[in-house]
Amino acid sequence: AQSVTQLGSHVSVSEGALVLLRCNYSSSVPPYLFWYVQYPNQGLQLLLKYTSAATLVKGINGFEAEFKKSETSFHLTKPSAHMSDAAEYFCAVSARNTDKLIFGTGTRLQVFP
Amino acid sequence: DAGVIQSPRHEVTEMGQEVTLRCKPISGHDYLFWYRQTMMRGLELLIYFNNNVPIDDSGMPEDRFSAKMPNASFSTLKIQPSEPRDSAVYFCASSGLAEYTQYFGPGTRLTVL
Repeated sequence: AQSVTQLGSHVSVSEGALVLLRCNYSSSVPPYLFWYVQYPNQGLQLLLKYTSAATLVKGINGFEAEFKKSETSFHLTKPSAHMSDAAEYFCAVSARNTDKLIFGTGTRLQVFP
Repeated sequence: DAGVIQSPRHEVTEMGQEVTLRCKPISGHDYLFWYRQTMMRGLELLIYFNNNVPIDDSGMPEDRFSAKMPNASFSTLKIQPSEPRDSAVYFCASSGLAEYTQYFGPGTRLTVL
């Protein structure tokens, strides 16, 4: 079975500061891992995905994530936060032989000027 | 492509009434997913289809919920009778074969009074 744990339901940063959103996964088989973003009153949008190629994955809007098997982690980072990054972020995992995504509980990112 | 289309965007109904939510997936996508999002339970997968066939409905909460996909371009999620605890945002998502990326619609915000 697969699961993800997102540490911290709320994260606050100043504009220009580093963004770090944490995600740890559990999977009995090699996983695919995803980060989605949800802006208010909108659906989820894919930020980036890991599907067994390079362990450092670059996504849209300057975000990136690194797959670390030894730590079972897939943390999301961005060097410099922008006001427009304020949103809710979801980590998700799927097994390679299924099409289902298992989502974490989400982390709400606030960016202060 | 217009993306995943959901209707209505907002629905307010009274307890006991039948509610039908509609979804048009992205053309050419083989998979369609229905999710429910609430503050208490987060994002839950209700059911998903592959080539119009239901594959996994283990997330459907009870017999009051039913979903159909009569053709590749249309799906419905029906709640009959509706209850206040069904109030949530319902998302539809679609995905292409072996794409491992789900594209979400804008959601339907359901309020059952």
